[in-house]
Amino acid sequence: AQSVTQLGSHVSVSEGALVLLRCNYSSSVPPYLFWYVQYPNQGLQLLLKYTSAATLVKGINGFEAEFKKSETSFHLTKPSAHMSDAAEYFCAVSDNQGGKLIFGQGTELSVKP
Amino acid sequence: DAGVTQSPTHLIKTRGQQVTLRCSPKSGHDTVSWYQQALGQGPQFIFQYYEEEERQRGNFPDRFSGHQFPNYSSELNVNALLLGDSALYLCASSLLNRAAEAFFGQGTRLTVV
Repeated sequence: AQSVTQLGSHVSVSEGALVLLRCNYSSSVPPYLFWYVQYPNQGLQLLLKYTSAATLVKGINGFEAEFKKSETSFHLTKPSAHMSDAAEYFCAVSDNQGGKLIFGQGTELSVKP
Repeated sequence: DAGVTQSPTHLIKTRGQQVTLRCSPKSGHDTVSWYQQALGQGPQFIFQYYEEEERQRGNFPDRFSGHQFPNYSSELNVNALLLGDSALYLCASSLLNRAAEAFFGQGTRLTVV
């Protein structure tokens, strides 16, 4: 069975500071990994995905994530936070590109001026 | 391109009633997945439809059923509503075998009283 654990339900950073959102996964098969962002009263938007190619994945809005098999991690980072980054972020895993997504509990990111 | 559209946006129902939620996929997409997102939680997979057939199903009771039409639009039906069914219901559309790279609608907020 697959699962995702997001460490920290709420992260607060200052504008311009590094953003680090943590995600650890469990999977018995090579995983496909995703980060989604959800703004208030909105659906989910795909930020980036890992599908067994390069381990460092670049996404939209300056976000990137690194797949580390030895640590079963897929942490999301952004060098410099912007006020518009304030949202809920979800890490998700799938066992194939056609399958269901299994989401973590989410991390709410707050950005202080 | 209108993207994924869901209707209605909000709905209030009484325990024991039945509800139907609707989803129109993004143009060109043939696969529709439904997710339930309870308050403060990550989305949970309900089921996926392709070619008018249920292709995968998550751990939801038979009270949850769906349908896909020839134009790829989809409905989610929930019978005998419980208070615990109150949630944001998200529809995601994609191409088959790209379901993990889905486009999400804004969701239908269902409140059961």
